[in-house]
Amino acid sequence: EPEVTQTPSHQVTQMGQEVILRCVPISNHLYFYWYRQILGQKVEFLVSFYNNEISEKSEIFDDQFSVERPDGSNFTLKIRSTKLEDSAMYFCASRAPGYNEQFFGPGTRLTVL
Amino acid sequence: QKEVEQDPGPLSVPEGAIVSLNCTYSNSAFQYFMWYRQYSRKGPELLMYTYSSGNKEDGRFTAQVDKSSKYISLFIRDSQPSDSATYLCAMTDTTSGTYKYIFGTGTRLKVLA
Repeated sequence: EPEVTQTPSHQVTQMGQEVILRCVPISNHLYFYWYRQILGQKVEFLVSFYNNEISEKSEIFDDQFSVERPDGSNFTLKIRSTKLEDSAMYFCASRAPGYNEQFFGPGTRLTVL
Repeated sequence: QKEVEQDPGPLSVPEGAIVSLNCTYSNSAFQYFMWYRQYSRKGPELLMYTYSSGNKEDGRFTAQVDKSSKYISLFIRDSQPSDSATYLCAMTDTTSGTYKYIFGTGTRLKVLA
């Protein structure tokens, strides 16, 4: 069964460093999303991406964040200068055209020290 | 008022019990309602998806939507220890076009053998 994959599973970084979180969405999906979940809190929408551009972003998704689809398979989330409060699980999700269901990856746990 | 409210639990039930999980919401534009299961430090796994009001059954799971009350439910029949997880409700509307999901906080369920 096709699934969304994410790498790395766990990333530890120092405050102020840049991180890139990678996702491989399901192959025929065209709509991509990033969500985050701070420990003990709810899953929150960050950004949606379609046709090589951002279609919607939340207020969390400030200038420190960017997304990219560098090739036909990967979808990345970059945090330019990490802060302690960026520590969270980051989930990538994808959706097929004509369907509403989003399928989530296993997540990347980001720890900022 | 929060957009989506969900009792965080924890909810402990004996094996074989019928479990009822619920969410209320405030945005009347929501039309699509999802239930996800999330094991500790893993990604959300789609369980059920319903559109508008009514019931939908899949094996031991039944999802119910009452749009007039802005209330959704997930019932689990013959609960098993393997059902122990956090259950997340999520919902979306079509007005933004991006189908971003708004999640509840999740209800932690423990099924005791």
